[in-house]
Amino acid sequence: DIQMTQSPSFLSASVGDRVTINCKASQNINKYLNWYQQKLGEAPKRLIHNTNSLQTGIPSRFSGSGSGTEYTLTISSLQPEDVATYFCQQYNSWPTFGAGTKLELK
Amino acid sequence: EVQLVESGGSLVQPGGSLKLSCVASGYTFSNYWMDWVRQTPGKSLEWIGEINTDGSKTNYAPSIKDRFTISRDNAKSTLYLQMNNVKSDDTAIYYCRVITTTDYWGQGVMVTVSS
Repeated sequence: DIQMTQSPSFLSASVGDRVTINCKASQNINKYLNWYQQKLGEAPKRLIHNTNSLQTGIPSRFSGSGSGTEYTLTISSLQPEDVATYFCQQYNSWPTFGAGTKLELK
Repeated sequence: EVQLVESGGSLVQPGGSLKLSCVASGYTFSNYWMDWVRQTPGKSLEWIGEINTDGSKTNYAPSIKDRFTISRDNAKSTLYLQMNNVKSDDTAIYYCRVITTTDYWGQGVMVTVSS
């Protein structure tokens, strides 16, 4: 399996803050990485695919970057509606997810 | 509007079987691969497997293979997950999913494995 190690597990930030979430793969995943947002009581929703391609309808304050084994999700200016849990997921081989980052407002 | 509606979740004893269904609408069901993803009580996500458009090819996560079977009926726009020899670790919310221009998930169905 390709293991995905996500950090931090929990993040508290203020409205307007720049927020970064990291994901490290146990081997090179060739940029085959998605980011998902899951709000309380809802199914996950894909924000970004192929490391840095923003899904249609997702605000531009979300962006992704990375290569090899290291990947990052950035929210440039945190908004109240961004409170959620975020997951990374690789698909270089059969898909595996990170354990999630729970993002709350300070 | 794309909609996926799962059903069939319940309490099942260890070693038992269960079949989940996912009825799709709002898009041409037979044109897209579909998959199943589950979320455990601890909230982690696990991909179960996928099926191609005509049902002739399936891929599974190694931890699932040989116990679960994914199938589809394009005439009924329905995806299935047959779960056999279930274990307590299979307790989770099960989602069906399709990726067209974006990803669509069902509302999820709860499966509890307990004696």
